[in-house]
Amino acid sequence: ELKVEQNPLFLSMQEGKNYTIYCNYSTTSDRLYWYRQDPGKSLESLFVLLSNGAVKQEGRLMASLDTKARLSTLHITAAVHDLSATYFCAVEPHQGGSEKLVFGKGTKLTVNP
Amino acid sequence: DTGVSQDPRHKITKRGQNVTFRCDPISEHNRLYWYRQTLGQGPEFLTYFQNEAQLEKSRLLSDRFSAERPKGSFSTLEIQRTEQGDSAMYLCASSLALTAYEQYFGPGTRLTVT
Repeated sequence: ELKVEQNPLFLSMQEGKNYTIYCNYSTTSDRLYWYRQDPGKSLESLFVLLSNGAVKQEGRLMASLDTKARLSTLHITAAVHDLSATYFCAVEPHQGGSEKLVFGKGTKLTVNP
Repeated sequence: DTGVSQDPRHKITKRGQNVTFRCDPISEHNRLYWYRQTLGQGPEFLTYFQNEAQLEKSRLLSDRFSAERPKGSFSTLEIQRTEQGDSAMYLCASSLALTAYEQYFGPGTRLTVT
């Protein structure tokens, strides 16, 4: 059974600092997703990573995927308050087409002025 | 708005009552998913459809839960004889299978069982 672990689960950081969130998963998969969730809201798609070595960047966020290590990272550069949210990684356990996602527990990020 | 929509957004019910939620996916999407999210946790998969066919159900989906997608468009999720442990956010997502991978989530229905 696929398990997805994120760390840290809670992250408090100052504006302007850099940090990385880690997502490990237990079985082979070539598709990994990062989502953002604001309190009381639904999930907003940030990145879709479809192959080993994939790297995507949007603004102050950069995500990468290492399928051999079964590891994805979400790197935050020069954090700003607007990035405060909970970030989830999610992994598809099977190949071929869109199927169910298995989510990590999420990383609650708080960016302090 | 052409995103995924869910109705109602909030539902408060008494234990033992039945509730039904509706999800309207993005119009051209043929796959539709239901997830449940409890406080402080990531979403957990419940079931998904391709067109009108229900292709997979999680072990989390007890006999009290049933989902349908009769015409391959909107879907309903019914919970019979609700229990306090059913209190959660129920999220619907849709995707276009085989040509795209991303699942787009709706705003969710928050269920509170008293």
